[in-house]
Amino acid sequence: ETGVTQSPTHLIKTRGQQVTLRCSSQSGHNTVSWYQQALGQGPQFIFQYYREEENGRGNFPPRFSGLQFPNYSSELNVNALELDDSALYLCASTFGQDSYEQYFGPGTRLTVT
Amino acid sequence: LAKTTQPISMDSYEGQEVNITCSHNNIATNDYITWYQQFPSQGPRFIIQGYKTKVTNEVASLFIPADRKSSTLSLPRVSLSDTAVYYCLVVRAPSNTGKLIFGQGTTLQVKP
Repeated sequence: ETGVTQSPTHLIKTRGQQVTLRCSSQSGHNTVSWYQQALGQGPQFIFQYYREEENGRGNFPPRFSGLQFPNYSSELNVNALELDDSALYLCASTFGQDSYEQYFGPGTRLTVT
Repeated sequence: LAKTTQPISMDSYEGQEVNITCSHNNIATNDYITWYQQFPSQGPRFIIQGYKTKVTNEVASLFIPADRKSSTLSLPRVSLSDTAVYYCLVVRAPSNTGKLIFGQGTTLQVKP
């Protein structure tokens, strides 16, 4: 059984650009959530996907969007990057839309300059 | 959901028992207490979850008094590798989404 993986590990983008981050869920998990973690803070919930549909969203603008694929891999897309988007982006997978025991990946460190 | 309050940081020495207390005064009847651990450069890891009294697993124990307004995570005989940030979360069940609300957490530093 493989764990949750994310790519890339690190990324540097310029303000105004667009970025796509990828996540491969743990085998058998049909739910993926994305979180943003600023330095020194706890992770903040962005949204959750369950069976390829968005199933809950945190306080993030529409320029944050996502996709979940039939093989349960997923993407987080961020358009019109802002300096404040610099953070660690974490994905977490689990089975079922309401499970609180979630399995996190190592994250993608995004730096916006 | 109930707001949680926990110490920002704690220090301990190897071999000691560490207790981290979390306050959640406005916890509701169908809320559970959940703890996550996060090592540097890694995502958080689920440690333990409880509703009331005491829960124990291979990693930690969770003590929840009858009024459920606080909880204590107990780590027996810590080692240097237990240095991490520990998050106390209140989660509601049932729920349409497993949204986790993290606070700042408690940074535990274990010294030799």
